[in-house]
Amino acid sequence: ELKVEQNPLFLSMQEGKNYTIYCNYSTTSDRLYWYRQDPGKSLESLFVLLSNGAVKQEGRLMASLDTKARLSTLHITAAVHDLSATYFCAVDQIEGNKLVFGAGTILRVKS
Amino acid sequence: KAGVTQTPRYLIKTRGQQVTLSCSPISGHRSVSWYQQTPGQGLQFLFEYFSETQRNKGNFPGRFSGRQFSNSRSEMNVSTLELGDSALYLCASSLVHRNEKLFFGSGTQLSVL
Repeated sequence: ELKVEQNPLFLSMQEGKNYTIYCNYSTTSDRLYWYRQDPGKSLESLFVLLSNGAVKQEGRLMASLDTKARLSTLHITAAVHDLSATYFCAVDQIEGNKLVFGAGTILRVKS
Repeated sequence: KAGVTQTPRYLIKTRGQQVTLSCSPISGHRSVSWYQQTPGQGLQFLFEYFSETQRNKGNFPGRFSGRQFSNSRSEMNVSTLELGDSALYLCASSLVHRNEKLFFGSGTQLSVL
């Protein structure tokens, strides 16, 4: 059974600092997603990583995937308050659009 | 282009009742998946429909069911509601089964009293 673990579960950062969120998964998969969720809102797609060594960047966020280590990272550069949200990684089980989500990382960026 | 539309946005029911939630995917999308989000269990997969056929099912009791119509719109039904069914129910659509671009709707917040 596929398990997805995120850490940390809560992250309080100062503006301007860098930090990384980690996502480990337990069985082989060929795609990994990162989503952002604001309170009371739906999931906003950030990145889809499809192959080993994939790296994608959007603004202050950069995601990478190491399929051999079954590890993805979401790196935050020079955090700003607007990045405060909950971030989820999700791994697609090979048999279909059946995502297994991590528990989520609550990110709070303090001024 | 309209996004994934879920109705209703909020719903309050009492234990023992049944409820039907609706999801209209993005135009042209034929795959619809449903997820339940609760503070305790997080986000959990319910089921996926593609071309009116259920392709995958999560570990939920038989009280949870769904269907998809020929226009790709999907409904999910929960019968004999329990307090623990209170959750945000999210629907996601994609062009085809196993397409990596998955788009989520705003969800239906169900409260069971």
